[in-house]
Amino acid sequence: EAQVTQNPRYLITVTGKKLTVTCSQNMNHEYMSWYRQDPGLGLRQIYYSMNVEVTDKGDVPEGYKVSRKEKRNFPLILESPSPNQTSLYFCASRGAKQETQYFGPGTRLLVL
Amino acid sequence: DAKTTQPNSMESNEEEPVHLPCNHSTISGTDYIHWYRQLPSQGPEYVIHGLTSNVNNRMASLAIAEDRKSSTLILHRATLRDAAVYYCILNYGGSQGNLIFGKGTKLSVKP
Repeated sequence: EAQVTQNPRYLITVTGKKLTVTCSQNMNHEYMSWYRQDPGLGLRQIYYSMNVEVTDKGDVPEGYKVSRKEKRNFPLILESPSPNQTSLYFCASRGAKQETQYFGPGTRLLVL
Repeated sequence: DAKTTQPNSMESNEEEPVHLPCNHSTISGTDYIHWYRQLPSQGPEYVIHGLTSNVNNRMASLAIAEDRKSSTLILHRATLRDAAVYYCILNYGGSQGNLIFGKGTKLSVKP
């Protein structure tokens, strides 16, 4: 089954404790993205990647890092999380010649 | 990226057609118009996309104005499961990886 998976689905952590949210897709897609969703602000893009070792900043990249060492994986790294990074995070992927973007189920993060 | 403007919310009755408008007055010639929707507690899902001509699929229809400065997503018979936030997005050239979402239109469907 074609899908985008994210782990963990729920995470509670404390300020400053490094964390990684994993994202994996099984569709051999070139493009992958991370979004965060906050009430009243809609979906905002954090980072995106057009292929292995090619990443670029989205609208709200501050406080986040990403890497794309393999085509199927696109982890989101919070080196020193802060409470304003409490949010719902979505990973997405799309093939280079496809229009449909597939989203993961979301990761709900609470930073205390 | 060109911006889109959508109403914050709309209401519909079950089994009636719904027309969701989107303005994109700064659209460029190579921008595709995409629609996604997000059901409660789920990630967004693709609905439809187009460039210049009207498009139909099993989920919806997309009507694009002749000057391309606006478009309308048409749900022919709304069901309770269509209650969601609908996002109208412009995607340069149809091939870029980054879709920039706005705040979307929250559609409520009354039985």
